[in-house]
Amino acid sequence: DVKVTQSSRYLVKRTGEKVFLECVQDMDHENMFWYRQDPGLGLRLIYFSYDVKMKEKGDIPEGYSVSREKKERFSLILESASTNQTSMYLCASRWTSGRMATQYFGPGTRLTVL
Amino acid sequence: SQQGEEDPQALSIQEGENATMNCSYKTSINNLQWYRQNSGRGLVHLILIRSNEREKHSGRLRVTLDTSKKSSSLLITASRAADTASYFCATDATQEYGNKLVFGAGTILRVKS
Repeated sequence: DVKVTQSSRYLVKRTGEKVFLECVQDMDHENMFWYRQDPGLGLRLIYFSYDVKMKEKGDIPEGYSVSREKKERFSLILESASTNQTSMYLCASRWTSGRMATQYFGPGTRLTVL
Repeated sequence: SQQGEEDPQALSIQEGENATMNCSYKTSINNLQWYRQNSGRGLVHLILIRSNEREKHSGRLRVTLDTSKKSSSLLITASRAADTASYFCATDATQEYGNKLVFGAGTILRVKS
C-alpha cells in the first residue's frame, strides 16, 4: 500500500514563527503536492513538485515556500506564520504514469496560528 | 481557481437510501476523479472516469460523466452510516509540468441509521 505520512497531526504556533511541515511518501512518486483545506473552499493547491529540486506555484503560494531535496520528502515552509494560515494542510503524491494517475493523501496537519 | 463545483453542499439521508452528488467543471479534462474524506482525515481515492467514458461502476458506487455538459455525478446505492463523509470531485487536466488535480468544495453526506 502507498503510504504518505505527515510529521504532525496537530500543531500550534505563534504569529511570526517559522513553521516546517514535512511530508514523506514511500512509493517513489515523482509528483508531490501541498494543499490547504478550509471550510467551504475545498482544497486549494499551494505548491507542487514534479521532481527533486523542482517546484511550481499552485493557486495560493503567497506566504509559503517549499523544499524537495529528496524524492520521498516534500516540505512546506511558512516563513513567518500568520493567523490567516490557520488551516488543515494536506500533502499528496502520485506517479506521472500517463494521464491516469490518482493521488494519495497523507492524514493532514491541523495548524493553528495564535 | 477551482474547477469542480459540487452540488449539493450537504446531503442528509436515511440508511438504505441512495445518495447522488453532482459535479460541474469548466474546461477540458483528461479524467475526473472522486475522493472521500472522513472527518479530520486525508482524502481517499474512490473512482476515476476517463474523458472518453460515460459510466463506471465500483461496488456500490456509480459515476457518470457528460463531457458535453461538463458534469459528473456520483451515486452511492444502499447507503450505510459508514458512508458519512465529505465527497470531492477533482478534475485532471494536462499542465506543462505533469498533471495536477483541481478539487471542488465538496459535498458533506450524512447517513442516518
